[in-house]
Amino acid sequence: KQEVTQIPAALSVPEGENLVLNCSFTDSAIYNLQWFRQDPGKGLTSLLLIQSSQREQTSGRLNASLDKSSGRSTLYIAASQPGDSATYLCAVRTQGAQKLVFGQGTRLTINP
Amino acid sequence: DADVTQTPRNRITKTGKRIMLECSQTKGHDRMYWYRQDPGLGLRLIYYSFDVKDINKGEISDGYSVSRQAQAKFSLSLESAIPNQTALYFCATSDPPTSGQETQYFGPGTRLLVL
Repeated sequence: KQEVTQIPAALSVPEGENLVLNCSFTDSAIYNLQWFRQDPGKGLTSLLLIQSSQREQTSGRLNASLDKSSGRSTLYIAASQPGDSATYLCAVRTQGAQKLVFGQGTRLTINP
Repeated sequence: DADVTQTPRNRITKTGKRIMLECSQTKGHDRMYWYRQDPGLGLRLIYYSFDVKDINKGEISDGYSVSRQAQAKFSLSLESAIPNQTALYFCATSDPPTSGQETQYFGPGTRLLVL
């Protein structure tokens, strides 16, 4: 059974800093991995999707990496801004499975 | 207009009541999902449907039922609500995966409180 863990549960950093959010998963036979952003009172927005055959994906100030052998993914946010404050969730789709398994999320606060 | 809408956005109900949460989408996707989110537990899949005639249980389907009325509509029912069904409920849609690409698009959520 796939399990996804995100540590820490909460993170607070000053504006302008670069930061890394972590995601680990137990079954390395994944189909893809996604990073989502969730704002209070709103649904989830997909940020980046990494296919099993890829090592990383980039979108603007965001870079997501994938290391299947170690069961880890990281989301790197460059030059953080207060508008980046949100909860970030990673989700894994295992090969042969029809559903996403979500981590618990990391609540990120960027202080002006 | 939002691609995935959920009604109601907030609901307070009493133990034992039957309630229905509705989801509509304009993305033309075949696949639809219902999740619940609880603090510290992430999102867990309740039911999913890959087309109008296909309904599948997720990991926590007990106490819930669904109806796929059309490609664009997927409803979640709580037959007899209980307090531990208090949670944030999300509907999501996606197209079938192609080459590893399968992004799910989420509605804004329904916050349910069962007293």
